[in-house]
Amino acid sequence: GDSVTQMEGPVTLSEEAFLTINCTYTATGYPSLFWYVQYPGEGLQLLLKATKADDKGSNKGFEATYRKETTSFHLEKGSVQVSDSAVYFCALRPMYSGGGADGLTFGKGTHLIIQP
Amino acid sequence: KAGVTQTPRYLIKTRGQQVTLSCSPISGHRSVSWYQQTPGQGLQFLFEYFSETQRNKGNFPGRFSGRQFSNSRSEMNVSTLELGDSALYLCASSLNRDRYNEQFFGPGTRLTVL
Repeated sequence: GDSVTQMEGPVTLSEEAFLTINCTYTATGYPSLFWYVQYPGEGLQLLLKATKADDKGSNKGFEATYRKETTSFHLEKGSVQVSDSAVYFCALRPMYSGGGADGLTFGKGTHLIIQP
Repeated sequence: KAGVTQTPRYLIKTRGQQVTLSCSPISGHRSVSWYQQTPGQGLQFLFEYFSETQRNKGNFPGRFSGRQFSNSRSEMNVSTLELGDSALYLCASSLNRDRYNEQFFGPGTRLTVL
């Protein structure tokens, strides 16, 4: 079945550091790819998405590029802030609905801690 | 525009009981999906409803069920509760079933089974 693999962390960085959170996936066809963020005590918020190969999603300084050849969707930010501290989830949604489950498939989540 | 709302926010039940959780999607959204979040298993897809019909279902036992009403509001029910059902249950709505569309998540219902 479909799966998403990401580093779980916690990942601890200093403010203004460069961030990379790796995400790789296994899926048939051409899934849509998403990054969601969860702040303490809250639900999930969509951070960015990409729906086809070589698409780049971007939002709030975060970027991720859909790499079909490496089945990856790594999240990057050039300069992180304390307010970026949260749990980040990589997710996919299959392109083909074969009658089975095609809700979002999530990675385990990466806990990011930014220190001042 | 109001976001996805879930009630109640917190619930405590004992083993063997049943529970019903409620979700009101964003106005105009017709697709509602449910997810279970636990520390061990992470986020797992339960089911999706669209136009009052269950369209997809994840790998959960039949004790987990749901329904959707004509106004797109949805409920999920868990019967014969087990300790392992303790989790955060998240509801997400989207405009339709197009897989490119964003799913907007509610704050969740925290269920504790004692």
